[in-house]
Formats: sequence, structure tokens, C-alpha cells
Amino acid sequence: AQSVTQPDIHITVSEGASLELRCNYSYGATPYLFWYVQSPGQGLQLLLKYFSGDTLVQGIKGFEAEFKRSQSSFNLRKPSVHWSDAAEYFCAVGVMVDGGSQGNLIFGKGTKLSVKP
Amino acid sequence: EPEVTQTPSHQVTQMGQEVILRCVPISNHLYFYWYRQILGQKVEFLVSFYNNEISEKSEIFDDQFSVERPDGSNFTLKIRSTKLEDSAMYFCASSESPRAPKYFGAGTRLSVL
Repeated sequence: AQSVTQPDIHITVSEGASLELRCNYSYGATPYLFWYVQSPGQGLQLLLKYFSGDTLVQGIKGFEAEFKRSQSSFNLRKPSVHWSDAAEYFCAVGVMVDGGSQGNLIFGKGTKLSVKP
Repeated sequence: EPEVTQTPSHQVTQMGQEVILRCVPISNHLYFYWYRQILGQKVEFLVSFYNNEISEKSEIFDDQFSVERPDGSNFTLKIRSTKLEDSAMYFCASSESPRAPKYFGAGTRLSVL
């Protein structure tokens, strides 16, 4: 069965430090991969997506993610974290099944990011 | 930037009551979704909707749930007889196509007492 694992429940980094949030997926075919961010009281905002092609994808707010098929991973990175990046981050895989699936998303449990001054 | 809007932001109801959660998807989107997130748990898929009919639903989406697009702009989720375990944040999403990114609303927090 398809699944997404985010092994880190909570990460704290210092402002200006680099960040890497881990995501591993289990999916039989080529996945469609997404990272979403949720600030308190807000909805899920799309940070970036991977469908095919270049395995390093750039997103909004200075984030990037790298798809590594051999490791079934899609880790999110940012070279220098800002205090406003404090939020919860969700990795998701889009499930496409032959026969007309509408491509629903399977989410990981999320990683809460805290940023200390 | 166009966005998905959901109302109300917080709904409190008594167990056994019916609730309707409302969503206005992005105007040129054709695919609509409901997800929910029970506190402390994953965001879970409930249902997808296209061309005025349900195209996919999860095990969670039982007979107590229904969706409707009553007019050209709204997309609703109805829970006929709420249970305590229905307490969750409910997210509406829309997309241009199945493979396109899904844009989510801010959610409706449903509290069943």
C-alpha cells in the first residue's frame, strides 16, 4: 500500500541555519510528490511539486527538494531558515491508478519546525 | 492570487446533528476534494468529485457523508448524523486536473460534543 513517512515529528533549528526535512514514500509507480506547509490557523500551502524530469525542484520561499528514486525519498531543504518558516510541513504523494483515478493525496504525519533566534 | 475559501472556520455541534461544511473552490478548477485531519493525526483523503459526481472515496466516507455542488461555485460536505469521532479539521481542495497541484482552503474545525 502507498504510504508516506516523515520520521521527524519536531525539529528545532536556529535562524540562519540550514534545514533538511526528511520524507520517504512507498509507491509502486513513479510518484507525484508534493510538499505543503501549514502555518497555525492556515490552510495547506503548496511549497513545491515533483512530477518528472529534473530531480531537484525549486519551490516558493527559497525551498527546494530532491527526488531520489533509489532511496524512495523526497527531502525538503532550505539553505538559511527564517523565523517566519516556523510551521508544520507535510510531504504527500499523489496516487494515480490506471482507469481514471482522480489522483488523491496521501500525506505524511508532518514535521513541526521551530526556529530559535 | 485565487484561493479556496471555506466556511465556517469553526463549527460546534451536538452529537447526532447534521452539519454542512461549505467550500468555494478556485473558479477555473474542475476537480474538488475533501480531506480531514483529526488532531495529531495525518491529513486523510475523504472524497474526490468531478463532473458532478463522486469519482473516488475512501473508507472513511461512509453513508453518513455526502457531497454536493449545489451551484456553479459552492462545494459542500454534509455529515448527516455527527459522531464524536467526526471531530477534526476538514479541508477542501481543488485542482485543474488530477495531476495538477491541489490548492487547499484554510479548513473548518468541526467540534462534536
